[in-house]
Amino acid sequence: LAKTTQPISMDSYEGQEVNITCSHNNIATNDYITWYQQFPSQGPRFIIQGYKTKVTNEVASLFIPADRKSSTLSLPRVSLSDTAVYYCLVGDHSGAGSYQLTFGKGTKLSVIP
Amino acid sequence: GAVVSQHPSRVICKSGTSVKIECRSLDFQATTMFWYRQFPKQSLMLMATSNEGSKATYEQGVEKDKFLINHASLTLSTLTVTSAHPEDSSFYICSARSRWDSEETQYFGPGTRLLVL
Repeated sequence: LAKTTQPISMDSYEGQEVNITCSHNNIATNDYITWYQQFPSQGPRFIIQGYKTKVTNEVASLFIPADRKSSTLSLPRVSLSDTAVYYCLVGDHSGAGSYQLTFGKGTKLSVIP
Repeated sequence: GAVVSQHPSRVICKSGTSVKIECRSLDFQATTMFWYRQFPKQSLMLMATSNEGSKATYEQGVEKDKFLINHASLTLSTLTVTSAHPEDSSFYICSARSRWDSEETQYFGPGTRLLVL
């Protein structure tokens, strides 16, 4: 079962703020929430990671409510180069191997000029 | 920042041949490396996890005799697709984690596009 749920796609105009919300109702106490960006034919790129409240770095902000059952990635003033697939992940201890990242379907963000 | 490279970036091979893909951590020691596969318009699927010096752990449905993984050093892991067939054509991505990182942190390589004719 997928551990996260996100919108399949989103469209935004250049210069706007984009908020992508991810649901993770079964998040475990020790799970962190991590967001990755992927361009076509490239490996995923780390964007931001958080555990609770708010985290901000030079590219994005991550808002996590107190119950941690969801999180919102906020991209300020998007540009055409932000067109990509964005994945929300929470850790997974249930696999046979080490701590794993389980990728869901991601959100395909299209930035329109 | 931590950099992971993959070689080759793309490869075309004939059906029945074997292909080796290398994954290297360039500026850190990767105690754990992960191999993913991604088909067109789909998400990444974890194939296996390997820890340096030990056997890889494969996900359910991934044939360990077909996808040979070797993690012989702290900076190199290889994935060999044996007797490749057209259905193995995919985008293969590795990631790596160091002993100093949190468990949630993985650094991804740029991927290798495999086309089996």
